[in-house]
Amino acid sequence: SQKIEQNSEALNIQEGKTATLTCNYTNYSPAYLQWYRQDPGRGPVFLLLIRENEKEKRKERLKVTFDTTLKQSLFHITASQPADSATYLCALPGGYQKVTFGIGTKLQVIP
Amino acid sequence: GAVVSQHPSRVICKSGTSVKIECRSLDFQATTMFWYRQFPKQSLMLMATSNEGSKATYEQGVEKDKFLINHASLTLSTLTVTSAHPEDSSFYICSATSAGTGVDQPQHFGDGTRLSIL
Repeated sequence: SQKIEQNSEALNIQEGKTATLTCNYTNYSPAYLQWYRQDPGRGPVFLLLIRENEKEKRKERLKVTFDTTLKQSLFHITASQPADSATYLCALPGGYQKVTFGIGTKLQVIP
Repeated sequence: GAVVSQHPSRVICKSGTSVKIECRSLDFQATTMFWYRQFPKQSLMLMATSNEGSKATYEQGVEKDKFLINHASLTLSTLTVTSAHPEDSSFYICSATSAGTGVDQPQHFGDGTRLSIL
């Protein structure tokens, strides 16, 4: 069955460093992959979408890569700030406009 | 743009009560809305897909008679948890996609409803 793996352990990094989060998947050949941010007690907020024919996508301090051979996406936040602390979810297509979410990785940026 | 409002944000009620949750797209038309449930430290689990003017499509294992969904207009979908029990306590979140958009368009989420059944 299709499976999405994100490191559910919290990731702690120092302010100013680059945070790198990983999303691995199995039994999937997704046409695209999405990343969302979720704050405690709030709904997710869409960040970036990357398609299968794109190796890399950037938006301000965010960068996403998509390696369909490794079946992996990496999500980078450069020059991280305490305000970046949140849980980051990757999502893969699960049908027309439907997505399946990973469990998310909690990022804590330490001042 | 693309704001989704969900109401109420928190509900505490007795076992056996039915609870209605509203999801509104404020500045766009949403042909499709999704209802999710999230338990602590778990991923969002899709419960059902709601299309305007038609019956909702429920995911496997979700009781349609327990979780009633109505999508009467392009801006409003409601989820009613009927005869709620403590095991229904969870964080319920809705999302919407814009009318006429492609298969890979992002979902716009409400801020969720924390349901606690005593």
